[in-house]
Amino acid sequence: GAVVSQHPSRVICKSGTSVKIECRSLDFQATTMFWYRQFPKQSLMLMATSNEGSKATYEQGVEKDKFLINHASLTLSTLTVTSAHPEDSSFYICSAPDRGGSSYEQYFGPGTRLTVT
Amino acid sequence: LAKTTQPISMDSYEGQEVNITCSHNNIATNDYITWYQQFPSQGPRFIIQGYKTKVTNEVASLFIPADRKSSTLSLPRVSLSDTAVYYCLVGDRGAGNMLTFGGGTRLMVKP
Repeated sequence: GAVVSQHPSRVICKSGTSVKIECRSLDFQATTMFWYRQFPKQSLMLMATSNEGSKATYEQGVEKDKFLINHASLTLSTLTVTSAHPEDSSFYICSAPDRGGSSYEQYFGPGTRLTVT
Repeated sequence: LAKTTQPISMDSYEGQEVNITCSHNNIATNDYITWYQQFPSQGPRFIIQGYKTKVTNEVASLFIPADRKSSTLSLPRVSLSDTAVYYCLVGDRGAGNMLTFGGGTRLMVKP
């Protein structure tokens, strides 16, 4: 199946700094990618939809100026957490749909564990 | 988007068949049912997808009754490595459709 990678897998940063997380589709093109956040023992929460060539669409309650999304190419989307605070510590996961073939599947990255100290 | 309801947790033993049922009363005509598996600190992994009746692949079966208001994921002969959270999602397979995750079912397989 298709592969989605994320980098870094784990990052620790100080409060007030910014962190960039990359999401790549390795063997398929993704005009759309999705960013999720997951707190311990909770389900995934959709943050935003990343669209190649246009602005991202953010879910209600997600600050677009704090979580900057750039879909630079058909295989790369980045999420930048600006001025990070301890409450931003979470597991960030991206996904991309692969519409090839007869099955419609979303492929998820391995996730990025962000810890803000 | 159709809301899904699953049991919060289930326990099983190695070698048993596990059936996890998901309720989705408001499923729309164009919606498909998809199940994902998630291990701790990993992204979800696709298990199976179906529209109606029964779908089977190498890891699971998916049973969907005629009214499509529920579905059952069946895992044959589970092992310890099947301990994970299982999510049932319902949605249109149309272009750009995002996935809305419910609470999921935490399956614990015991030796």
